[in-house]
Amino acid sequence: QITLRESGPTLLKPTQTLTLTCTFYGFSLTTSEMGVGWIRQPPGGALEWLALIYWDDQKHFSPSLKSRLTITKDTSRNQVVLTMSGMDPVDTATYYCASNGGRTRDYHAFDIWGQGTVVAVSS
Amino acid sequence: FMLTQPHSVSESPGKTVAISCTRSSGSIASNYVHWYRQRPGTSPTTVIYEDNQRPSGVPARFSGSIDSPSNSASLTISGLKTEDEGDYYCQSDDGDSVIFGGGSRLTVL
Repeated sequence: QITLRESGPTLLKPTQTLTLTCTFYGFSLTTSEMGVGWIRQPPGGALEWLALIYWDDQKHFSPSLKSRLTITKDTSRNQVVLTMSGMDPVDTATYYCASNGGRTRDYHAFDIWGQGTVVAVSS
Repeated sequence: FMLTQPHSVSESPGKTVAISCTRSSGSIASNYVHWYRQRPGTSPTTVIYEDNQRPSGVPARFSGSIDSPSNSASLTISGLKTEDEGDYYCQSDDGDSVIFGGGSRLTVL
């Protein structure tokens, strides 16, 4: 059974860097076509995609946030780490990680999602 | 490109509802469209992938389609049940970036 769990700080101050960890179970990021992405959702708002990493270390980033984001994988720990620099109160949101189910890299989509972690940015 | 959805839709139990997702530029048929449902306080789950495929466990009442003339995709839910209420998001990509629609709140009343 595939599950994902996000972890990280719940409160940050403006200008700080956010580091979130996605720990997953039931699949390996060494398996061909597997990918893990990050998506966020502000309170009462819509889903916004952030970044995506594949088994072969190919990475994709939201164009509007690319300069602030890094995404890495640790296959030995079954983890994907997202960092976002220059946090601002508008970055307050629930942050989700999700797997692509290993269907294909020909398109980007998400299959199983984590429960999400709430991050607030306030001085 | 952007994906535009109606902010809200509502229909009565037992009826059929369609939620549209209109692509702003480029052909809707160029990239697959996927649909997620998000119930209050929970994570999104996939109800349709690759335009019209249902994951296991999603009832046949859910169907997806694309319409090239209107450059839009649709999620159709028939035999509506109150448990179908929630926010529905369409999603596509351009090969590099992932794009979500703004979401549609379905109310079954």
